[in-house]
Amino acid sequence: EVQLVQSGAEVKKPGESLKISCKGSGYSFSYHWIGWVRQMPGKGLEWMGIIYPGDSDTRYSPSFQGQVTISADKSINTAYLQWSSLKASDTAMYYCARLGSGSYYLSHMDVWGKGTTVTVSS
Amino acid sequence: EIVLTQSPGTLSLSPGERATLSCRASQSVTSSYLAWYQQKPGQAPRLLIYGASSRATGIPDRFSGSGSGTDFTLTISRLEPEDFAVYYCQQYGSSPFTFGPGTKVDIK
Repeated sequence: EVQLVQSGAEVKKPGESLKISCKGSGYSFSYHWIGWVRQMPGKGLEWMGIIYPGDSDTRYSPSFQGQVTISADKSINTAYLQWSSLKASDTAMYYCARLGSGSYYLSHMDVWGKGTTVTVSS
Repeated sequence: EIVLTQSPGTLSLSPGERATLSCRASQSVTSSYLAWYQQKPGQAPRLLIYGASSRATGIPDRFSGSGSGTDFTLTISRLEPEDFAVYYCQQYGSSPFTFGPGTKVDIK
């Protein structure tokens, strides 16, 4: 079974750093793009960016470029989303999702993780 | 950046009725690279339709997608109780791969 398992909920203070993870199983992790999607409380879905674990090619939405870093470690089938200095406005649910078309990045998101809740509050 | 607009914002219908959801793009979507997702409260989104009209694995045939260019439609032929949810369209033909704001289908 293809699965993406995300790390647990986080509660952080403004200015702290954070790295959340997304571990894939049941498929060739290196050969499918992984994307990250933000959902702020009570709001819609926002596409943040994608990474190809095979060579770490990364594409960011302009809205998130410079605000977060997307990375991956193909040796342990895990993708990451990290912040160097959190703000209260980063409070949201973050989903990772697999892009379904293998190495082709123009693709829908066919398998989703359950999400990681990030709360940033002083 | 392609902006997606979904209408209506909320659709109030009864089980058994037909639902028609619209997604309009600010510019033409390359190769009909448009997907529809369903999200229920407290759950992750689920892929329903990709390539504008292809059903994802395990999706019932009461869900169908159509359209091209800038105008796309998701149709649910007969609403089942489990279909009441929020539906998002997404274009993935041009980075950033934007989502629409969603249409909530609720019980009348």
